Amino acid sequence: EAGVAQSPRYKIIEKRQSVAFWCNPISGHATLYWYQQILGQGPKLLIQFQNNGVVDDSQLPKDRFSAERLKGVDSTLKIQPAKLEDSAVYLCASSPTVEAFFGQGTRLTVV
Amino acid sequence: SQQGEEDPQALSIQEGENATMNCSYKTSINNLQWYRQNSGRGLVHLILIRSNEREKHSGRLRVTLDTSKKSSSLLITASRAADTASYFCATDYGNNRLAFGKGNQVVVIP
Repeated sequence: EAGVAQSPRYKIIEKRQSVAFWCNPISGHATLYWYQQILGQGPKLLIQFQNNGVVDDSQLPKDRFSAERLKGVDSTLKIQPAKLEDSAVYLCASSPTVEAFFGQGTRLTVV
Repeated sequence: SQQGEEDPQALSIQEGENATMNCSYKTSINNLQWYRQNSGRGLVHLILIRSNEREKHSGRLRVTLDTSKKSSSLLITASRAADTASYFCATDYGNNRLAFGKGNQVVVIP
């Protein structure tokens, strides 16, 4: 079975620029998560989708971050404008029920 | 938001020894999960224990859950060099929302 696909793997941008990340979850998984993992810390949930709907986006900085899940499958996470503190690994995960399957992540460096 | 917290945060052991990690959380949960993260790899699910369970085994892994103390422990027996990784607990506090702790770094010395 194919895993969770994320792209790009790495991205370097200047502050105030915009960036977008893409995630293709495992087929049939209704739940999709975006996490932010800062170096040396645990993943922090940014947003959780159940099919098309948002379950939790309480920790998403909505003034600069946005996310959507197209037709309940693929998802994109956008940051506009980026700040230095957004440097982190952005992890996408999907789940059929309770266990989450993670992608390799996108390492974002904001300079 | 709900967050697990692991203790200790860094552990260095010899191959063949056991490694124990602890996790505490603050509110009620549906289940608690442990994940492993190796350098160069994403997070991988290891084991899940439901709120009505007290102990669970999977291969060399043993997890316990004490809901009265809001704590869990993960034991890795007969550790191997390949067990070198960061280990995270994650609490499901409803609607499959997963909150991760800060993680334990485990180094197994061959």
